[in-house]
Amino acid sequence: DIVMTQSPDSLAVSLGERATINCKSSQNLLYSSNNKNFLAWYQQKARQPPKLLIYWASTRESGVPDRFSGSGSGTDFTLTISSLQAEDVALYYCQQYSSIPYTFGQGTKLEIK
Amino acid sequence: EVQLLESGGGLVQPGGSLRLSCAASGFTFSTRAMSWVRQAPGKGLEWVSAMRPSGDNTYYADSVKGRFTVSRDNSKNTLYLQMNNLRTEDTAVYYCARDGSFSGVDYFDYWGQGTLVTVSA
Repeated sequence: DIVMTQSPDSLAVSLGERATINCKSSQNLLYSSNNKNFLAWYQQKARQPPKLLIYWASTRESGVPDRFSGSGSGTDFTLTISSLQAEDVALYYCQQYSSIPYTFGQGTKLEIK
Repeated sequence: EVQLLESGGGLVQPGGSLRLSCAASGFTFSTRAMSWVRQAPGKGLEWVSAMRPSGDNTYYADSVKGRFTVSRDNSKNTLYLQMNNLRTEDTAVYYCARDGSFSGVDYFDYWGQGTLVTVSA
């Protein structure tokens, strides 16, 4: 199974500042046939289901604010929130969909400093 | 508007069975792969099972293989998860999730609100 490891486990950032969450996979998620990384990011607010933010490592889902961006390739990926807003307090998960079983990172808790 | 509505959760004893349902609306159900993802209380997300649009291919996590069966009825726009021989570690909120593309089982672009399954004596 592909193991997804996020860092840090928790993060406190001031409003308006940048937040960065890292995700490392135990196997390469880049497919040379289509040059795409099989990596998604989700946001989960308290008592809500997860919400898709980013797919193919860097494609923002429709309706997601442009302060959210994804980057990286191969085994190392990053979710960046350029200017933290109060409504961004949540858990964030990365997920690989390169191979079954699809696996998630353990989650990163983002709070306001 | 895409909607996924899970039902069928509840309290069951170890060794018991439950059948979850996920009623889909707002999109052409028969064209999308669907998955079940669970979240134990206070824990992270765990993918459980998936089924391709036509139902010809199914996939399972090792933790549920041989005990859970995924199925779908495209005429009723409904996804099911039959859970047998339940264990205490199966206690979780079970989410139904839609595949985000038409090419297979990939990322999940819509999620239901979830249904809680509690396995306890």
